[in-house]
Amino acid sequence: AQKITQTQPGMFVQEKEAVTLDCTYDTSDQSYGLFWYKQPSSGEMIFLIYQGSYDEQNATEGRYSLNFQKARKSANLVISASQLGDSAMYFCAMRVDTGNQFYFGTGTSLTVIP
Amino acid sequence: EPEVTQTPSHQVTQMGQEVILRCVPISNHLYFYWYRQILGQKVEFLVSFYNNEISEKSEIFDDQFSVERPDGSNFTLKIRSTKLEDSAMYFCASSRGMGNEKLFFGSGTQLSVL
Repeated sequence: AQKITQTQPGMFVQEKEAVTLDCTYDTSDQSYGLFWYKQPSSGEMIFLIYQGSYDEQNATEGRYSLNFQKARKSANLVISASQLGDSAMYFCAMRVDTGNQFYFGTGTSLTVIP
Repeated sequence: EPEVTQTPSHQVTQMGQEVILRCVPISNHLYFYWYRQILGQKVEFLVSFYNNEISEKSEIFDDQFSVERPDGSNFTLKIRSTKLEDSAMYFCASSRGMGNEKLFFGSGTQLSVL
């Protein structure tokens, strides 16, 4: 069975500081992808970043980077230089290549403090 | 950027009534999904649809639920006899393919069952 765990229900960060949102996953599949989505208070789900299980380098997209540690089965999201607009729920998700379902974690609520 | 369109944005219904939630996925996408989220909590998988049939479904997706792609563009979720606990935000999503293809979400339908 596949599982995504996000252990931080809420996080606070000072504006312009970096923050790491934790995500661990469990799967017996060798080929899978890890995704992060942002959900602002308006409710839409916005794709942020993707990491494939065979990617040797950590993914980066602008201020977002993914700290992928395969042996530890973790895929933490790092947001650098936080902005007030980063305040939102953040969901980690996984998709295994033998299926098409996306498995989501319970989310982390990030609040950026001015 | 192309987007997934959902209608209506809000739906209020009486317990026991049937509701149909409508979605227009992105036109060249092949995989379609329904997820739901109760009060900003966990994003729960309901069903995935590929090649005109259900490919995976969760325990939530019981006989009260059905999906249809009637005309090659619309993708609908029907709840036959709504219960109070069906109140949630329902997200339609689509994906171009498997593997690293990300999930594109619609803006959701907030269903309230009274």
